[in-house]
Amino acid sequence: RKEVEQDPGPFNVPEGATVAFNCTYSNSASQSFFWYRQDCRKEPKLLMSVYSSGNEDGRFTAQLNRASQYISLLIRDSKLSDSATYLCVVITSGTYKYIFGTGTRLKVLA
Amino acid sequence: DVKVTQSSRYLVKRTGEKVFLECVQDMDHENMFWYRQDPGLGLRLIYFSYDVKMKEKGDIPEGYSVSREKKERFSLILESASTNQTSMYLCASRDGTVKGYEQYFGPGTRLTVT
Repeated sequence: RKEVEQDPGPFNVPEGATVAFNCTYSNSASQSFFWYRQDCRKEPKLLMSVYSSGNEDGRFTAQLNRASQYISLLIRDSKLSDSATYLCVVITSGTYKYIFGTGTRLKVLA
Repeated sequence: DVKVTQSSRYLVKRTGEKVFLECVQDMDHENMFWYRQDPGLGLRLIYFSYDVKMKEKGDIPEGYSVSREKKERFSLILESASTNQTSMYLCASRDGTVKGYEQYFGPGTRLTVT
């Protein structure tokens, strides 16, 4: 079983739609969680950290469910510019290792 | 703004050649990383350096070595390139002294070994 798993998609949604992605992790000692965004043929960039209580940044909301070992990313009012691959990243307590998911591809359609 | 640069965007090498990939960051970060990214496999850690002259193997170090002689520069070396090392190589850096965990990535080097 992979340490971090994501549905590869693609998720094709119309502009203005709400879309949600999940990411499951297998190590219960995982401590820090992030969502990165990667545009086609570009490097990954941090989108947002994921806090235990959940957090919001504009149209983006991240949630953590430790009991079920998953994190989620919700995007409201999707824009064409949101089209990208979203990478889930998990860090285990006491290590430097960033475990990346393989990414979920989002296409927002006009 | 943090800047991480990589020596080449695209590189084509022959099997058996020794290949050097260079990465430079300008934010005085302690930690630097080399990953490779392949379709369906995501980013996999090759090597990590937590300070000058310090290095640790990642998940897939075989066939690679690294060098960190100066804080700002982290080099990845393919001792004898093989076709299965054709991939996108991404360098990243991170400030190891504060709680923030953000990694800053370079633009990547797409290496083709023929």
